Amino acid sequence: AQSVTQPDIHITVSEGASLELRCNYSYGATPYLFWYVQSPGQGLQLLLKYFSGDTLVQGIKGFEAEFKRSQSSFNLRKPSVHWSDAAEYFCAVAWTGGFKTIFGAGTRLFVKA
Amino acid sequence: DVKVTQSSRYLVKRTGEKVFLECVQDMDHENMFWYRQDPGLGLRLIYFSYDVKMKEKGDIPEGYSVSREKKERFSLILESASTNQTSMYLCASTQGQMEQYFGPGTRLTVT
Repeated sequence: AQSVTQPDIHITVSEGASLELRCNYSYGATPYLFWYVQSPGQGLQLLLKYFSGDTLVQGIKGFEAEFKRSQSSFNLRKPSVHWSDAAEYFCAVAWTGGFKTIFGAGTRLFVKA
Repeated sequence: DVKVTQSSRYLVKRTGEKVFLECVQDMDHENMFWYRQDPGLGLRLIYFSYDVKMKEKGDIPEGYSVSREKKERFSLILESASTNQTSMYLCASTQGQMEQYFGPGTRLTVT
């Protein structure tokens, strides 16, 4: 079955430090890849997406992600975290020919001063 | 500015009540989805619809039904609410396999 794995349930980083959130998906047809962010009490907002082309994609709020087909991964990065980045982050994958998007379980980011 | 709205942010219902959650999108999207979100489980798909009056079961449809009479509106129905349906419910819409646009969510408590 198709699946998306975010191995880290929660991560704590210091403000100003770099961040990497991991995401792996099960092998399948050409994937469409997404990262969403959810602030407390809010719905999900798209950070960035990958459909094709350059495997390093830039998103909003200074985030970027890199697609590595050989590793079935789509990790999210930010060079310098701000306190306002504290939220829950979801990786999501859709496959060609389907309607559904599969979401990972989420990684909650805590930022310490 | 694109928008997905949900009828209530917070809802408290009693066991056995019939519950309606409504979702409206203004983007003319074909596809609409209902998810429930529980800590540690991420988003789980309850039902989705790819056209008016068309619906498909998701991963956890038991205890739920849906209705889509108009393209912009997708309703989730709990026929007889139970305490294990206490959760955050998120509606989303999308065109094709593009990114999904989410509503703010409805936090439902069943007592």
